[in-house]
Amino acid sequence: GQNIDQPTEMTATEGAIVQINCTYQTSGFNGLFWYQQHAGEAPTFLSYNVLDGLEEKGRFSSFLSRSKGYSYLLLKELQMKDSASYLCAALDSNYQLIWGAGTKLIIKP
Amino acid sequence: ETGVTQTPRHLVMGMTNKKSLKCEQHLGHNAMYWYKQSAKKPLELMFVYSLEERVENNSVPSRFSPECPNSSHLFLHLHTLQPEDSALYLCASSQESGGNYNEQFFGPGTRLTVL
Repeated sequence: GQNIDQPTEMTATEGAIVQINCTYQTSGFNGLFWYQQHAGEAPTFLSYNVLDGLEEKGRFSSFLSRSKGYSYLLLKELQMKDSASYLCAALDSNYQLIWGAGTKLIIKP
Repeated sequence: ETGVTQTPRHLVMGMTNKKSLKCEQHLGHNAMYWYKQSAKKPLELMFVYSLEERVENNSVPSRFSPECPNSSHLFLHLHTLQPEDSALYLCASSQESGGNYNEQFFGPGTRLTVL
């Protein structure tokens, strides 16, 4: 079956760095997405990786290893507003998104 | 604002009621989606309308019925729901182009409670 695994919850300190991991098993692979969802709000797009390596966008970076079925989202210089759920989703061979359950990130002062 | 709006934002209904959720996208996209989001569970794709064709998920009960009158509007008609259908219902849209995939833009969702 197809599956996405990510931690349920993580806690980090304001100003620090946190890495949220995601492993995936899909029938074929056409890329991996990260979305951010604040409580009570719509998920918003953060990144898309289809090639191996690190993509950097300001304080957020996303990494992909296709051979390991692994991705991570790296958040630097954490701010209180980064408290949210982070959703990992892989695109299978039929271009269907397979979603993880999300990682709730709690930022403490 | 993501360019995708949903109404109502909150809905409480009894099991015998009939109600409809509405979604509108102002992005000129050609694909629209309904998702169910339950606490601590992955997003569940319910229905897709892509390039004016409907793609069904066979595991969705018939008490959920989608309607897509045009590329900008999507409805989810609800009838005789069960308490376990209580969840956040999210609408999304994207621009599909021959196998290339672009990110989905989500609406804020409708929080549905079935009593």
